[in-house]
Amino acid sequence: AQSVTQLDSQVPVFEEAPVELRCNYSSSVSVYLFWYVQYPNQGLQLLLKYLSGSTLVKGINGFEAEFNKSQTSFHLRKPSVHISDTAEYFCAVSKAAGNKLTFGGGTRVLVKP
Amino acid sequence: DTGVSQDPRHKITKRGQNVTFRCDPISEHNRLYWYRQTLGQGPEFLTYFQNEAQLEKSRLLSDRFSAERPKGSFSTLEIQRTEQGDSAMYLCASSVDTDSGYTFGSGTRLTVV
Repeated sequence: AQSVTQLDSQVPVFEEAPVELRCNYSSSVSVYLFWYVQYPNQGLQLLLKYLSGSTLVKGINGFEAEFNKSQTSFHLRKPSVHISDTAEYFCAVSKAAGNKLTFGGGTRVLVKP
Repeated sequence: DTGVSQDPRHKITKRGQNVTFRCDPISEHNRLYWYRQTLGQGPEFLTYFQNEAQLEKSRLLSDRFSAERPKGSFSTLEIQRTEQGDSAMYLCASSVDTDSGYTFGSGTRLTVV
């Protein structure tokens, strides 16, 4: 079975500062990795995904993530955040070509002016 | 296509009552998923359909929970004899394959009083 750990439950950050959200996973098989964002009272929206190939993945809204197989990590970064990036961010893993996603507990990002 | 639709958005029910939620996936998506999300947690997998076949159920899904997807289109999730512990956001998602990631609906928030 797969599992995901998001090491930070909350990350406060000032507007225009960089942010990094940490995600570590556990799996005995090859995996696909995803980051989702959830705005208040809304469903989850896909930010980016890693399936194979280049370990640096670029997503929407200026986010990017790097897959590190040796460290079993998939950290999310943005070089300069906006107030509108205030949301909860979830890392998720599935078996490669598997059927279901397993989510981490989420990281709440609060962008301060 | 308007994405994944869930109805109702909010449901308040008395303990012991039965409730039913509906999910309309994106029309060309043959995979449909139900997840449950409690406050401050990541979504937890409940069940998965490919077309009309229910291929996997979580051990979280007690006998009081049942899901259907007649004709491989919309899906319903029924909870019988609701308990306060059932209070959560119930999320539906659909996909065409694992590579694409999921498209989530906005969820149904259930409050059991």
